[in-house]
Amino acid sequence: DQQVKQNSPSLSVQEGRISILNCDYTNSMFDYFLWYKKYPAEGPTFLISISSIKDKNEDGRFTVFLNKSAKHLSLHIVPSQPGDSAVYFCAASSNSGNTPLVFGKGTRLSVIA
Amino acid sequence: GAGVSQTPSNKVTEKGKYVELRCDPISGHTALYWYRQSLGQGPEFLIYFQGTGAADDSGLPNDRFFAVRPEGSVSTLKIQRTERGDSAVYLCASSVDKDNEQFFGPGTRLTVL
Repeated sequence: DQQVKQNSPSLSVQEGRISILNCDYTNSMFDYFLWYKKYPAEGPTFLISISSIKDKNEDGRFTVFLNKSAKHLSLHIVPSQPGDSAVYFCAASSNSGNTPLVFGKGTRLSVIA
Repeated sequence: GAGVSQTPSNKVTEKGKYVELRCDPISGHTALYWYRQSLGQGPEFLIYFQGTGAADDSGLPNDRFFAVRPEGSVSTLKIQRTERGDSAVYLCASSVDKDNEQFFGPGTRLTVL
């Protein structure tokens, strides 16, 4: 029973265009959401997060949008760069981040030059 | 400063053997987490330490798995009577405190033949 779902295993985007990675969740107790980026043979690295009291958080080229009624969040990367090619994991937590992270299966992003 | 380190990077063992996986967290981080990532899946929570004590071990799959953190720094994940289904990348993460960003190590790839 997957509580965090990333339904697209892979995504290809041209350099300079927007990348949109999607994530859905089922547990209504989740109130803190994070995106991690993972290169091969490395551990995941934190990218950006959002609390359920917000619907948008922006950090440079990265923006996360949260739609609580739809239990959906998305990560926008614009403009996409070849160095963004990696696996992106969506993760969620409850109790303001005080419970263990629940991860999705990941989406492999390929940015083509 | 040094990040989270994990040793060994790779471990191959035979079914039924005992293995120990080590995690060195970032100095000063009080919270330490173990995750397991199977092929094609996201990281799955195993156990969380706050200081020396296991604050949440609800993710450990069965009693063959055990983890310790005797001095509140280095942690060891111990797996008894390994099974082929234990093959995965075991990730360790640490954070300043429970509700802060988690920094991941590169993982230990365990292969049980």
